[in-house]
Amino acid sequence: AQTVTQSQPEMSVQEAETVTLSCTYDTSESDYYLFWYKQPPSRQMILVIRQEAYKQQNATENRFSVNFQKAAKSFSLKISDSQLGDAAMYFCAYRTSYDKVIFGPGTSLSVIP
Amino acid sequence: NAGVTQTPKFQVLKTGQSMTLQCAQDMNHNSMYWYRQDPGMGLRLIYYSASEGTTDKGEVPNGYNVSRLNKREFSLRLESAAPSQTSVYFCASSAVDSDRLKHGYTFGSGTRLTVV
Repeated sequence: AQTVTQSQPEMSVQEAETVTLSCTYDTSESDYYLFWYKQPPSRQMILVIRQEAYKQQNATENRFSVNFQKAAKSFSLKISDSQLGDAAMYFCAYRTSYDKVIFGPGTSLSVIP
Repeated sequence: NAGVTQTPKFQVLKTGQSMTLQCAQDMNHNSMYWYRQDPGMGLRLIYYSASEGTTDKGEVPNGYNVSRLNKREFSLRLESAAPSQTSVYFCASSAVDSDRLKHGYTFGSGTRLTVV
């Protein structure tokens, strides 16, 4: 069965600095997608970035980028130039070939002014 | 605006009461899902529906039932609420097509349910 692990329950970063959130997953599938979702205090789930397993190139969306290491089954999220609005719970997620998305337990990110 | 509409946003139930959480999407998505979110456990899948007329159990289905009323609507019912069902519930939908793996979910805004 697929599992997603986020080993950092809480992280903090100074405003304008860079922070990296870790995620590892376990799967026997060869084709899949990985996602990072952001959940601010409003509770809304927001898709931040996605990565296809077959693509070597790491995905980038503005200040958000990933470091995808397929062999190591690692999918970390880097947030550059952190802003106060980045404070949120971040979930790493894996989409299976059966159209289900499995979520990690989340990392709570605080941004210090 | 297009999206997933979930009602109610908040609900308090007494143990043993029943209720139905409603979810509707207007994006013509085939797949719909119900998750519950608990602290330190992320989101766990309760039930999902890959298409109209089909439903399947997820990771934590006990104590819940679902109905895929039509392509747009997917409801979650608690027949006899228990304190262990206190949680935040999310409905989500997703496109399923030839590039289905690349789609994440579109989420509703969540329902905070407290069972006392």
